[in-house]
Amino acid sequence: NAGVTQTPKFQVLKTGQSMTLQCAQDMNHEYMSWYRQDPGMGLRLIHYSVGAGITDQGEVPNGYNVSRSTTEDFPLRLLSAAPSQTSVYFCASSYSRGLAAYNEQYFGPGTRLTVT
Amino acid sequence: GQQVMQIPQYQHVQEGEDFTTYCNSSTTLSNIQWYKQRPGGHPVFLIQLVKSGEVKKQKRLTFQFGEAKKNSSLHITATQTTDVGTYFCAGLMDHAGKSTFGDGTTLTVKP
Repeated sequence: NAGVTQTPKFQVLKTGQSMTLQCAQDMNHEYMSWYRQDPGMGLRLIHYSVGAGITDQGEVPNGYNVSRSTTEDFPLRLLSAAPSQTSVYFCASSYSRGLAAYNEQYFGPGTRLTVT
Repeated sequence: GQQVMQIPQYQHVQEGEDFTTYCNSSTTLSNIQWYKQRPGGHPVFLIQLVKSGEVKKQKRLTFQFGEAKKNSSLHITATQTTDVGTYFCAGLMDHAGKSTFGDGTTLTVKP
């Protein structure tokens, strides 16, 4: 199993550009989530999904969109990049019982995004 | 919003010294998870605590969940250079659909 994969590993964008960060998992996990991590800070939840076709907002959803058309994939779209979105983005997945992430989360290697 | 506070933010120790990080929530938690992130890496799950007063051990690491299920701690005995990294707690609030991460404690170990 590859676990959780993320592409690209690094990305530089100009202000106003849009892009999609890819995330895929091959563990048949129902729960997937996106976090951002700023220097010296913890992980802040952007969006999450409890299954295909279901998404919900986390703590910091503004400027980001997600969709979940399959169990395996959970892309994160930046609509119009801003310097404040410079961060490291982690995707995570978990086997969930019911609607909550009651089990360990498996994190991808991250995407380091810089917006100039 | 609901928060999970973690202290200290940084801890510098000499190799062989003990280390403890604390996690506190203003609301009752359904469970608490602990993760370790090595420099430049991604968070890796260490353990999950569910029961009030629960204590779990992994070699030199001891994890505790408070009686009121509002706080937790991670204690490392006799630190080694391999323990370097940032330790995060993540609390799942009752009736919430998602966990909230603390800001982490970054541990450096001087050989």
